[in-house]
Amino acid sequence: QIQLLESGPGLVKPSETLSLVCNVSGDSISNSIHFWGWVRQPPGKGLEWIGTIYHTGSTYHNPSLKSRVTMSIDTSKRQFSLNLSSVTATDTAIYYCTRLRLGATPWFDFWGQGTLVTVSS
Amino acid sequence: SYELTQPPSVSVSPGQRARITCSGDALPKKYVHWYQQKSGQAPVLVIYEDNKRPSGIPERFSGSSSGTMATLTISGAQVEDEGDYYCFSTDNTAVHRVFGGGTKVTVL
Repeated sequence: QIQLLESGPGLVKPSETLSLVCNVSGDSISNSIHFWGWVRQPPGKGLEWIGTIYHTGSTYHNPSLKSRVTMSIDTSKRQFSLNLSSVTATDTAIYYCTRLRLGATPWFDFWGQGTLVTVSS
Repeated sequence: SYELTQPPSVSVSPGQRARITCSGDALPKKYVHWYQQKSGQAPVLVIYEDNKRPSGIPERFSGSSSGTMATLTISGAQVEDEGDYYCFSTDNTAVHRVFGGGTKVTVL
């Protein structure tokens, strides 16, 4: 059974960079029918797609986050990462790492438990 | 930017049918997927590709799509079906992905 586990600081100061890592177990991070992504949820609000990354390293991110998002993947470590720069209080959210299933319109078929990141001085 | 529109809330009596809609301009050409999120938990996929049900999801959950609107139906809603439901799809570029704003389902 696949497991996705997010890790990283729970508290980040404004203007600094939020960094999270997702460790993948129970599945190959390089398989051809899945790729990987990040979703966040501010407290009491809805879900927001952050970005997706393929095992090749190709990435796509939400245009609303402009150029603040950087994602990477390390297949040898079976992990992928998210960096979000210049954070403000509005970036406070539960951050989920996810697996997406390839298809005509890909979908998230598995989610990590999520990790709360608070932006505060 | 592309948007998917859902009603903020839906109420239903136990055993009755609940319908949650999701509208978006790209839906005639893109599939919709649906997620259930209970309080304090990660979302769970309940319908993918408009109308397919993952294993383990009760048969009372079904989906359909026509034109610019997709619908999630809970036939014979149970108290345990309470939660927030989100639709998810992509824009016509097939690159940028988006969630609907979410619908809070109350069963009482």
